[in-house]
Amino acid sequence: GAGVSQSPRYKVAKRGQDVALRCDPISGHVSLFWYQQALGQGPEFLTYFQNEAQLDKSGLPSDRFFAERPEGSVSTLKIQRTQQEDSAVYLCASSPRLAGPLRSSYNEQFFGPGTRLTVL
Amino acid sequence: AQRVTQPEKLLSVFKGAPVELKCNYSYSGSPELFWYVQYSRQRLQLLLRHISRESIKGFTADLNKGETSFHLKKPFAQEEDSAMYYCALFHAGNMLTFGGGTRLMVKP
Repeated sequence: GAGVSQSPRYKVAKRGQDVALRCDPISGHVSLFWYQQALGQGPEFLTYFQNEAQLDKSGLPSDRFFAERPEGSVSTLKIQRTQQEDSAVYLCASSPRLAGPLRSSYNEQFFGPGTRLTVL
Repeated sequence: AQRVTQPEKLLSVFKGAPVELKCNYSYSGSPELFWYVQYSRQRLQLLLRHISRESIKGFTADLNKGETSFHLKKPFAQEEDSAMYYCALFHAGNMLTFGGGTRLMVKP
């Protein structure tokens, strides 16, 4: 079946421009995650949704970053007034079951191909 | 605070040689650790998890709580093992913290 998809795959923005990155999770997956991966580094957690509820946004680096998942399926990560330090690959992942503090076992996260954002 | 460290950015070995990719973690709770792999032009995917104690593609990893390590090992490397490898710690019920990654290059 289809995996997690992300669009666009590549985005070049001028500094100060707003961008919107889209994630289509695997159908039926409850949990959705966004990660930021800077060049030469591992992915870093940004935010997490359970259905349409954003349960954790502790990793968002500033208030210029905003994520939503209004119908519990597709998610959009928006970055306002982009800066050069926002240049990175943005990864989306989805998971088939609930992931919360009462669950001690990991539910595998399936990753998308990422969106490479370059801010000039 | 939780932290995952992969001290080697690049590991280069010849085909048939043993491989060990190092991973150390810092976490106050009971750790759940994973290895993720990213082959060229492919997406990040789960390789193995310490709970399952399984061998995937000939790779194994043992959690050593005394040394806070979760090194990935393979006795005989193959060219198709060339990829980026990330060690990751699962915590807070929903969060993965990744190490910086190690690029494994297996030369013919």
